[in-house]
Formats: sequence, C-alpha cells, structure tokens
Amino acid sequence: GENVEQHPSTLSVQEGDSAVIKCTYSDSASNYFPWYKQELGKGPQLIIDIRSNVGEKKDQRIAVTLNKTAKHFSLHITETQPEDSAVYFCAASRTGNTPLVFGKGTRLSVIA
Amino acid sequence: EPEVTQTPSHQVTQMGQEVILRCVPISNHLYFYWYRQILGQKVEFLVSFYNNEISEKSEIFDDQFSVERPDGSNFTLKIRSTKLEDSAMYFCASTQQETQYFGPGTRLLVL
Repeated sequence: GENVEQHPSTLSVQEGDSAVIKCTYSDSASNYFPWYKQELGKGPQLIIDIRSNVGEKKDQRIAVTLNKTAKHFSLHITETQPEDSAVYFCAASRTGNTPLVFGKGTRLSVIA
Repeated sequence: EPEVTQTPSHQVTQMGQEVILRCVPISNHLYFYWYRQILGQKVEFLVSFYNNEISEKSEIFDDQFSVERPDGSNFTLKIRSTKLEDSAMYFCASTQQETQYFGPGTRLLVL
C-alpha cells in the first residue's frame, strides 16, 4: 500500500522567512496530494491540494509542487507569519474520494 | 461556511465499554470517513462509507468497530468493547468534489 514520508518533523523559521516541507510517496497510482494544517485541539484544515496533471499550484503565500517521476511533493510558505505556526500534514490518495494516507507531520514554529 | 460537526468533543470510558461517536457531515456530501490520530502520531484511515455501505476499511477497523448512517444527517462510529489502545482523537470527514473536509474531532480516553 501507499507510504508517505514527510520531512522535517520540526521547523523553526523567523517571521518573514520562507518554509519548505517535503514529502515522498511510494504508490505510483496516487494522483491526489492535499496539505492540511492542524492547530492545537482542532481537526485538519485543508490549505491547498494538487492533482497529478499539474506540476505546481499557488494560492497567495502558499504553493505546492509535484514531481510525479520522483514521487515527491513539497509545500512552500513564503513571508511566514506567527499565525502560520501549526502542524502541517501532507497526504496522498488515488483520488480525493479514496482514503488519504498521511505523513507524520511537521511542526512549524514561526518566531516573531 | 458549512462544517463537519462531531459530538462529543471529549469522551472518557472504562475499558470494555461501548462508545458511539457521532458526526454530522456537510449536507449534500456523499462520501464519509472516519480517521483516528493517536497522540503525537499521524492521522490514520479507519473506514469510508458511500451509498449506505462501507466502501473501504483499514486493518485497524476490525470486528469491534462499526459505522452507521441512521438517518439523513448523522454518521456514527461504534466501538463495541473499548481497549486502552483505542485512546485517540477520532476525526470524521466528508467529501464533495474530491476534497475531504474534517471535523474538529472527538478525544476518546479509555481507562
């Protein structure tokens, strides 16, 4: 089955700097790659997703890149703010309706 | 904006007791899911439900677990005889157009 690896497990950045989180997946049948942000005591909130027919997607300060050949995808947050501090999870699935396989998460701390 | 809701937010139970976790998915969503997250670990898939039946389930979802959609709005997860290792955060999710939206979770503590 699918296995998703995520790095780093923790990341500290200065406010205004960029943060990059990387994930790899194992199943070439995966075509859908969402990123979720989880704040303390809350459920995962979708922040951006990408499908395999697209190499890059951007939404304001957040961007995701996908390399299907290498089976890896990355989250880029620019101009980080303290409210970006949270745990970020990457995930992979065959489609958006099939079960998500999550990475272990990255705890991002943005230092003011 | 419509949200997935879950009740209760916290549940403490004794080992061997039955618990029912409740979810109200976003209306007009067609796929429903249960995931769990043991403290400090990744979110793990338990079961998906579509067209009034289980569409997929993981190895975790053994005979102690069951799901039901008793009416047009609720989606429940029942654990028949809880074990200590069932202590976790349980998340319900629902899907529209291939995007899964998660509820706030129920924290289950088995003593």
